[in-house]
Amino acid sequence: GAVVSQHPSWVICKSGTSVKIECRSLDFQATTMFWYRQFPKQSLMLMATSNEGSKATYEQGVEKDKFLINHASLTLSTLTVTSAHPEDSSFYICSAIKVAANTDTQYFGPGTRLTVL
Amino acid sequence: AQTVTQSQPEMSVQEAETVTLSCTYDTSENNYYLFWYKQPPSRQMILVIRQEAYKQQNATENRFSVNFQKAAKSFSLKISDSQLGDTAMYFCAFMISGATNKLIFGTGTLLAVQP
Repeated sequence: GAVVSQHPSWVICKSGTSVKIECRSLDFQATTMFWYRQFPKQSLMLMATSNEGSKATYEQGVEKDKFLINHASLTLSTLTVTSAHPEDSSFYICSAIKVAANTDTQYFGPGTRLTVL
Repeated sequence: AQTVTQSQPEMSVQEAETVTLSCTYDTSENNYYLFWYKQPPSRQMILVIRQEAYKQQNATENRFSVNFQKAAKSFSLKISDSQLGDTAMYFCAFMISGATNKLIFGTGTLLAVQP
């Protein structure tokens, strides 16, 4: 199997606070994890690529100081939304690629719904 | 730059019937992968089927099959014997082989299977 979990599944926070979202590969090691953002009825937008032990690579237009990514181990990556504002409300999804896999298939977490009041 | 286009925002099919979802892409690369992902109302992304560009044979997974036309840059998904559980948003996606492993998604097709 290739199971990816996310925690929390949903979170509500006040404007100006920071929120941390965890992404874990439960039954495999992942050298690379990805963070996506999805607005209602829209496609997934890649925010950043997270590699274990190195700095994340952010897509154009994504503020790295606002969306802090840490990939401290081969099974865990975290996304911290700092000083969250209502416009950061969205569905955040992570995915992971297996270490030494023959394929380049991404396995997705169940997503985290963030609501900023 | 690579792009993925899904020209059908919504589709509907009767239970047990067959439906085909369209996807076209644009790239100058020769080695790449193509995927179809399903996102049901739970919003969990589920891999449906995967195709390597170097393989001429179309991928199949049970009731799901693709029609991969490399020259035309077309990658359609056929769902046979549609089931109510197939109701979902379907995303076509593209990845360059051996590069950053980034997935480029199409805008999605919302499929409704009617009883």
